[in-house]
Amino acid sequence: NAGVTQTPKFQVLKTGQSMTLQCAQDMNHEYMSWYRQDPGMGLRLIHYSVGAGITDQGEVPNGYNVSRSTTEDFPLRLLSAAPSQTSVYFCASSLQFRGTEAFFGQGTRLTVV
Amino acid sequence: DAKTTQPNSMESNEEEPVHLPCNHSTISGTDYIHWYRQLPSQGPEYVIHGLTSNVNNRMASLAIAEDRKSSTLILHRATLRDAAVYYCILRDSGGGADGLTFGKGTHLIIQP
Repeated sequence: NAGVTQTPKFQVLKTGQSMTLQCAQDMNHEYMSWYRQDPGMGLRLIHYSVGAGITDQGEVPNGYNVSRSTTEDFPLRLLSAAPSQTSVYFCASSLQFRGTEAFFGQGTRLTVV
Repeated sequence: DAKTTQPNSMESNEEEPVHLPCNHSTISGTDYIHWYRQLPSQGPEYVIHGLTSNVNNRMASLAIAEDRKSSTLILHRATLRDAAVYYCILRDSGGGADGLTFGKGTHLIIQP
C-alpha cells in the first residue's frame, strides 16, 4: 500500500496565484485532514473531512478551500496565495472519525514569494 | 482537547533507554493519550496510545500514572533513527472539533 500520497513535494508560487495541493490515500479511510507546519512549530489543523461530501473547518481555515468528492482524495486549494501561507503542508487520514491512528503524508513544502 | 507539557529537548546515548515525560494535569476521563514522532523532513508518525493502563508495542511503551495526570513514553533501546521530535497529544473520545493538537513536542537527540 502506498498509504497517504501528497503531490507536489515542493512548490514556489507568486503572491496572488492559486494552486491545489493533492492528497490521496489507498486505505479506504473515512477521515482525512490537512495541517500546516511553520518553522519550529507543531502542526495546526486547516480543514478536515469525516467522509465523502462532508468537510469542516479546523483551527486555521482562512485562505484555503477543500472538497471531498471521493473517499480517496482530499485536495487543498489556495485561492490567492500570500507569503503568510509559506509553510509545510501535511495531509493525514485515519480509519474513523476520531480514529486512533493517523497516517501522514510526506508533506508539501510551499514557498510564496 | 486538554493541554500537555513536555520538555523542549532531551539527549540520550545510543542503545540506552529513553524516558520522555509528558504532563497533562487537566486530562479528562475520556481523553486518550497519544504519542507521535516526526523525523527530520518527514510527516508525523504514530507511536502509541493509551487510556489508563500501560501499553506496549513494537516501537515503544507507554507508562501512565495512576491519576493519569502524567505519562512517560519509553524507548527501550534508542538508536540514531529515533532522533526526532516527539509529541504527546490528548484526544477526546467524545464530541467537539476534531484533529490532533500538536504542541512543540520534545526534540530528542541521540548521541552515538
